[in-house]
Amino acid sequence: AQTVTQSQPEMSVQEAETVTLSCTYDTSESNYYLFWYKQPPSRQMILVIRQEAYKQQNATENRFSVNFQKAAKSFSLKISDSQLGDTAMYFCAFMKLAGGATNKLIFGTGTLLAVQP
Amino acid sequence: KAGVTQTPRYLIKTRGQQVTLSCSPISGHRSVSWYQQTPGQGLQFLFEYFSETQRNKGNFPGRFSGRQFSNSRSEMNVSTLELGDSALYLCASSLAGAFNYGYTFGSGTRLTVV
Repeated sequence: AQTVTQSQPEMSVQEAETVTLSCTYDTSESNYYLFWYKQPPSRQMILVIRQEAYKQQNATENRFSVNFQKAAKSFSLKISDSQLGDTAMYFCAFMKLAGGATNKLIFGTGTLLAVQP
Repeated sequence: KAGVTQTPRYLIKTRGQQVTLSCSPISGHRSVSWYQQTPGQGLQFLFEYFSETQRNKGNFPGRFSGRQFSNSRSEMNVSTLELGDSALYLCASSLAGAFNYGYTFGSGTRLTVV
């Protein structure tokens, strides 16, 4: 069974600084996807960034980038130029590629990020 | 285009009652999944529907059920409510065959069982 571990329950960063959130996962699968979701107080889970396991290049979306280390099963999220609106719970998620069958997300326990003014 | 819509946003029920939650996916999305979020257990997969068929179910008792209609709208039902069913229930939709793009979530229904 796959597991996702986020070892940092809470983190704090000053506005405009850079912060890195950690995520490790365990799987025997070779084809899978990894995601970072953000959940602000509005409760809606918002997709931040995604990574296909077969791609060696790290994904980047504006101020958000990942460091994907497949051999180490590590998938960290770097937020540059942190903004107050980045304050939220961040979840790392794993999805096995199931060839058309259910592609359920397996979530980590989350990291609560607070951006301080 | 409109996002994933979940109704109601808040619900208070008494132990032993049953409840039905509704989810309208993004237009064109045929896959709808449900997740339960609690402080103790985190986010857990409940079930997924695709073209009105349940494709998989998570490790939840039979009191939890769901269905999907021909317009892809989905409902989940919880019967004989227990205090431990208090949670945020999230619905997510996806384009068939495009799961690598991830799921789009609604804002959830906060269920409180008293």
